[in-house]
Amino acid sequence: DIQMTQSPSSLSASVGDRVTITCQASQDISNYLNWYQQKPGKAPKLLIYDSSNLETGVPSRFSGSGSGTDFTFTISSLQPEDIATYYCQLYDNLQVTFGQGTRLEIK
Amino acid sequence: QVQLQESGPGLVKPSETLSLTCTVSGGSISSYYWSWIRQPPGKGLEWIGYVYYSGSTNYNPSLKSRVTISIDTSKNQFSLKLSSVTAADTAVYYCAWGYHWNAHYVWGKGTTVTVSS
Repeated sequence: DIQMTQSPSSLSASVGDRVTITCQASQDISNYLNWYQQKPGKAPKLLIYDSSNLETGVPSRFSGSGSGTDFTFTISSLQPEDIATYYCQLYDNLQVTFGQGTRLEIK
Repeated sequence: QVQLQESGPGLVKPSETLSLTCTVSGGSISSYYWSWIRQPPGKGLEWIGYVYYSGSTNYNPSLKSRVTISIDTSKNQFSLKLSSVTAADTAVYYCAWGYHWNAHYVWGKGTTVTVSS
C-alpha cells in the first residue's frame, strides 16, 4: 500500500500570510493527488484535483503543485474564512487514501 | 446540481450491521461514481469504497470483509452496509459523488453513527 505523509499537522498563520502544506507519498503517484478543505462541522470540499487543477468556483489564492512523491498546497494570502482542516488525498490502483490533515488557525 | 442526503439509524449495537442510505437529488444516479467516506470523532477521513452506476464496486482493503455498497437506480439511492460493528466504527459517515472514482466533487452533510450497547 502507498503511504501518505502530510505536514504539518497544525499551523498558525496571520491574515495575509502565504501558507504551505505538503504531502509526501511513499512511491511515485504521478499527479494522482487531490486537496480538500473541511470547515468545522461541515463536509469536506474539493479544492484541487490532479495535483494542480483548481475546482470550479474555488478562489485563485488556492493552488497546488507537485508530481511523483512530493506535493504542495498553497494559500497565497490567508483569509479569515480559510480557517479549516486541509486534507490531501491520493488515488492509485483503484484505492483512495487521505492524508492525516492539517489544522490551520489564525494567529 | 447534484445533492446528497445520508439517512439511517444513529445508534447501532456492537456486532450488528450498520445500514445507511444516500438519496440523490438534482441529478440521475445512472452515471458516474458514488462513494462512502467516514470520519471518527476528532480524527481524519477514511475512504470506505465506491459503487459505479453499473453496480461494480471497490472497497478499502481494511474494511473489505465487512462492507457492501449497492445502488438502486430506480430509487436514485445507494447504500452502505457494514457488518460486525464495534466502537471503532463510530463516526460521521459521508456519501459523495464524483465523475471518476478518484475524486469527490459533491458530498452529503454527513450522518453520525454511534456504536454502543
